[in-house]
Amino acid sequence: DVKVTQSSRYLVKRTGEKVFLECVQDMDHENMFWYRQDPGLGLRLIYFSYDVKMKEKGDIPEGYSVSREKKERFSLILESASTNQTSMYLCASSPRLRAKNIQYFGAGTRLSVL
Amino acid sequence: QKEVEQDPGPLSVPEGAIVSLNCTYSNSAFQYFMWYRQYSRKGPELLMYTYSSGNKEDGRFTAQVDKSSKYISLFIRDSQPSDSATYLCAMSAYWARGNEKLTFGTGTRLTIIP
Repeated sequence: DVKVTQSSRYLVKRTGEKVFLECVQDMDHENMFWYRQDPGLGLRLIYFSYDVKMKEKGDIPEGYSVSREKKERFSLILESASTNQTSMYLCASSPRLRAKNIQYFGAGTRLSVL
Repeated sequence: QKEVEQDPGPLSVPEGAIVSLNCTYSNSAFQYFMWYRQYSRKGPELLMYTYSSGNKEDGRFTAQVDKSSKYISLFIRDSQPSDSATYLCAMSAYWARGNEKLTFGTGTRLTIIP
């Protein structure tokens, strides 16, 4: 089974703090993704990466950055956390195949910024 | 207009009923269609995957794609309380570098009443 592991289930941070969310996948997938999920807005793509050290902006990259130093690990960084970044953050991975594009998700990190 | 539209519900049905969940989309390039199930406070998990038009059945679940109408459906037969979750549709065009993204609906919250 594909396993995508997010380092924390729940996090509480203060406004202005630098926040790191970590994601590790064990299936040697090339592609990795970070989403946030908010009621009524669904899943919104923040950043994705299709290879080590590569990154692409998603639909809502402002206020976030990412790092992919190893194939299995993709980190999301909130440079200076703000209350409007309180959300559920989901990491996903997918293989580089010419078909399917199926993404496998982690359990999510619920972040509260106070 | 969003590329993918999905009624957010909530939808409540009695146990044993047939459930119909639907999404419409506007991008005619979409060829790969998925349904994810997300339990409360968990990450989405892939439920069904279909390519192009037609039906696909897996146990109590049937996924249906009508590309001419740009309409996809998920049917659940003999619904169980354990089917209570949020169901997300997702779709993508033909895979290509830079096109690894999935486009998600906002999800329909389903409750099966015992």
